[in-house]
Order: sequence, then C-alpha cells, then structure tokens
Amino acid sequence: RKEVEQDPGPFNVPEGATVAFNCTYSNSASQSFFWYRQDCRKEPKLLMSVYSSGNEDGRFTAQLNRASQYISLLIRDSKLSDSATYLCVVKYQGGKLIFGQGTELSVKP
Amino acid sequence: EADIYQTPRYLVIGTGKKITLECSQTMGHDKMYWYQQDPGMELHLIHYSYGVNSTEKGDLSSESTVSRIRTEHFPLTLESARPSHTSQYLCASSEAQNTGELFFGEGSRLTVL
Repeated sequence: RKEVEQDPGPFNVPEGATVAFNCTYSNSASQSFFWYRQDCRKEPKLLMSVYSSGNEDGRFTAQLNRASQYISLLIRDSKLSDSATYLCVVKYQGGKLIFGQGTELSVKP
Repeated sequence: EADIYQTPRYLVIGTGKKITLECSQTMGHDKMYWYQQDPGMELHLIHYSYGVNSTEKGDLSSESTVSRIRTEHFPLTLESARPSHTSQYLCASSEAQNTGELFFGEGSRLTVL
C-alpha cells in the first residue's frame, strides 16, 4: 500500500464547476499536510498548507480529518488556468516529505 | 519566483556516458534535495543534504551520487548512464525550519539511449 494515495484522474470538468480531490495517508504520526500544484512539464509549487481546522484561500479550501487520515482539496468556480496536476504531500516527524502520485485536473471551456 | 536553477534542462545521451546534472540556488537554503519523477508518477527522493559536506541517500535506490561542497551548489552525477536512468530529475531546496515548502528547479529531463 502506498504511503500517500490520491484519487486517480484525470478529472475533466467545465469552467465554473466545483471539484474535490481526496487523499489518504497511512502513517498516523504524520505531522503536516500540503497541496502542491504541478503544471504539465513544469516543477511542483506549493499551493497551500492544510491546517487541522481547515483553511481557505480564495476559491480553494483544504480540509484535514486526522481520525480518518484523509485530506481534501475543494476548488470552486474552476478556471481554465486551474488545469494542472494536484499533489498531496505529507510531512513526517523529522521533516521527511512524501508525495502522492497526483490527480490531474482538466478544466474545459 | 524561486531562485533555483538546473542545467541541462534536456539531455539525450548514450549508454555508458558519465553525466552531471547541475543545481544551484541563491536563496541561502541549507537543505537541498534531488527527486526523480516518471510521467504520471509520484516524486521519489533519491538524495538530500542538510548543509555543506552533508549528503544522504533518499528512499529510492539510485546509482547516482551527489556532493555539497558549497551551500548553493548540489550536483548529481551518474558515472555510467543506462536506459533505466531515463527520467525527470528535480532539484529542490528549503529553509532550515522545515516548513514543508520546497522550492523546485524546472527539472532536468534525461533520456539515455
């Protein structure tokens, strides 16, 4: 079983749609959680951290459920420019980062 | 924009050749990393360094080696390239505080024929 597993993609959605990605992690001692975005053939970049109480950044909302070892990312009113691969990242104690395989999103006009 | 640079961006080379992938950052970060990523797959850590003269192997077994003689420079070397080394290699750096934010270079896409 992979340490971090994400919804298999791709997600193909129309502009303006709301889309949600899920991610589960196996290590209950995981400390911190993040969502990264990776455009096609580009490097990953930090999108947002995920806090225990949930957090929002504009159209993006991240949620964490420690009991179920589950993280989610919700994108509202999706734009063409949101098309990318979204990577779930878990940080272990000691600083080690584990990346999920990513979920590809394609937003169509 | 992150100040971390990788060269070459693309390299096509024959089996048995020695190659060095260069990575430099101007942010003064102590921590630097090399990841390997195949298309549609997750990033795998192959090497990391927490400072000058400190290097460690990552989770994914790799025949490559690294060095960290200067803070800003973290080159990766393959002594004898093979087709199985064909992949994208991503260099990253982070601040010492372990915030979880990595700054990645644009990657070096290696093809070994």
